[in-house]
Amino acid sequence: GENVEQHPSTLSVQEGDSAVIKCTYSDSASNYFPWYKQELGKGPQLIIDIRSNVGEKKDQRIAVTLNKTAKHFSLHITETQPEDSAVYFCLIPGVNSGGYQKVTFGTGTKLQVIP
Amino acid sequence: DTGVSQDPRHKITKRGQNVTFRCDPISEHNRLYWYRQTLGQGPEFLTYFQNEAQLEKSRLLSDRFSAERPKGSFSTLEIQRTEQGDSAMYLCASSPHSTGGEQFFGPGTRLTVL
Repeated sequence: GENVEQHPSTLSVQEGDSAVIKCTYSDSASNYFPWYKQELGKGPQLIIDIRSNVGEKKDQRIAVTLNKTAKHFSLHITETQPEDSAVYFCLIPGVNSGGYQKVTFGTGTKLQVIP
Repeated sequence: DTGVSQDPRHKITKRGQNVTFRCDPISEHNRLYWYRQTLGQGPEFLTYFQNEAQLEKSRLLSDRFSAERPKGSFSTLEIQRTEQGDSAMYLCASSPHSTGGEQFFGPGTRLTVL
């Protein structure tokens, strides 16, 4: 199956500082790389995604970078705010040997932004 | 609200009872997914539908679990003879893409088996 590693598992930053979370995967056929934010008691929410034909995508304070050769992609949050505190997951979609979709989430990173 | 909805939001049941959850995806989304999430873990894939066809089931989906999407719109997930190990958050997501892509999640149904 897909091997997905996400680091760090927990991250505490001061408000205004940057946070970086990294996701490493094994399936070289993957070509879509999203990041999800999950607040307590809620379902995951897509915050940014990138496709394999680009190396970086930015949306205001959030950016994602992709290194397909090294098989990792990272979430960057700049000027962190207390409302950024949540658990963040990467997701690796792919296709299994039967030709059907498979979905593997990362293990999650609990981000705490300290005011 | 045009997002994914799930019902109920919380369910407490006794071991051995059957439970059924419902998911209403975003209208016209042809893919629908079910996941299970336990505390401190990422969501684990259970199964997914392309319209009314169930295309893939995880090994996590034992024979006590069954999912349906009879008309290609809403879906139900039934757990028979619940066990304490079934206690988890059950998440539903839908996607407009037939080849995979962004998924939109519902708020989940939290199941507690006593």
